Amino acid sequence: DVKVTQSSRYLVKRTGEKVFLECVQDMDHENMFWYRQDPGLGLRLIYFSYDVKMKEKGDIPEGYSVSREKKERFSLILESASTNQTSMYLCASRGLAGVGADTQYFGPGTRLTVL
Amino acid sequence: GEDVEQSLFLSVREGDSSVINCTYTDSSSTYLYWYKQEPGAGLQLLTYIFSNMDMKQDQRLTVLLNKKDKHLSLRIADTQTGDSAIYFCAERKTSYDKVIFGPGTSLSVIP
Repeated sequence: DVKVTQSSRYLVKRTGEKVFLECVQDMDHENMFWYRQDPGLGLRLIYFSYDVKMKEKGDIPEGYSVSREKKERFSLILESASTNQTSMYLCASRGLAGVGADTQYFGPGTRLTVL
Repeated sequence: GEDVEQSLFLSVREGDSSVINCTYTDSSSTYLYWYKQEPGAGLQLLTYIFSNMDMKQDQRLTVLLNKKDKHLSLRIADTQTGDSAIYFCAERKTSYDKVIFGPGTSLSVIP
């Protein structure tokens, strides 16, 4: 089974803090994604990465950056957290071949609260 | 339009069938997905259908695709309380690697 893990289930930070959200997958997937989920808005893509050291902006990249130094790990960084970044953050990975190819597998999510 | 659309809420009685509807945006989309999200959890892929199919059945789940109307539905037979969750419809556009998600339908199953 594909396993996608996220470093924290719940996180509380203060406005202006730098926040790191970590995501790790164990299936050697090329693609990884960061979404935020807000009620009534569904999932919105923040950033994605086709492969190591590659990154592409999604629909709402403002206020976020990412890092993909190793294939299995994709980090989302909030340089200076703001209250409007309070949300559920979901990481996903996708392989390009084999069983489950072309399908995104999601982590359990990190609920971030910015005070 | 640009959005994948779904009703936000659906309530059914245990044992009845549930039908969750979705309208997607791009008639050239290759893959259409249904994901399930249980409370406090991430999204779990339920099933997907290729655009060259019009129906897919997997145990209690039946997916119907109407490409002409860009309409996708998920039918859950004999709905159980464990089916209570948010169900997301999603499409993958062929011209770009992005998956577009709908807002999710919250299914409540009444015992």
